[in-house]
Amino acid sequence: EDKVVQSPLSLVVHEGDTVTLNCSYEVTNFRSLLWYKQEKKAPTFLFMLTSSGIEKKSGRLSSILDKKELFSILNITATQTGDSAVYLCATEGNAGGTSYGKLTFGQGTILTVHP
Amino acid sequence: DAGVIQSPRHEVTEMGQEVTLRCKPISGHNSLFWYRQTMMRGLELLIYFNNNVPIDDSGMPEDRFSAKMPNASFSTLKIQPSEPRDSAVYFCASRTTGFPEAFFGQGTRLTVV
Repeated sequence: EDKVVQSPLSLVVHEGDTVTLNCSYEVTNFRSLLWYKQEKKAPTFLFMLTSSGIEKKSGRLSSILDKKELFSILNITATQTGDSAVYLCATEGNAGGTSYGKLTFGQGTILTVHP
Repeated sequence: DAGVIQSPRHEVTEMGQEVTLRCKPISGHNSLFWYRQTMMRGLELLIYFNNNVPIDDSGMPEDRFSAKMPNASFSTLKIQPSEPRDSAVYFCASRTTGFPEAFFGQGTRLTVV
């Protein structure tokens, strides 16, 4: 069974701090790892990672994947109150050799940024 | 495109009643996922379809849950009979070949009393 574990489960910081969120996984026929941000409603897509060591960056957010050690990190620098959300990590496995793998999500990290 | 559309947005029902949740995926997407989210268990995959065919339903909790996708633009998740422990937010998501990222609907908040 595919498994995705995120840590910490919750994190409270002040504006301006830098945070690192962790995601480790065990996936059959790994294809990709995805990060999502969930505020009050539906998760919204942030990054997709498929190759080790290549950083993906979007503004103050960045992420990297280590396929040897089976983990990914999401960094947020100079945090703002608007970054408060649940951050979800998901992996895509190539179930049964088909082209369309299942997406398995971790528990999520609840990030709270205080002014 | 309006995105993934789910209905109803909220549902309150009594234990033992049948509940049907509906989802319209983004036009042109050929994979559809049903997830359930609770504080205790996070976002759990219930079932997913490719080209209207169920590929993996191992996450469906028990026989009370069933899902169908009669065509590319519509899917339902049915719970019969419902129980209080089914209370959760149910999300539908869709995506297209070659693009792993799934797009989520706004969810249906189900409360079974």
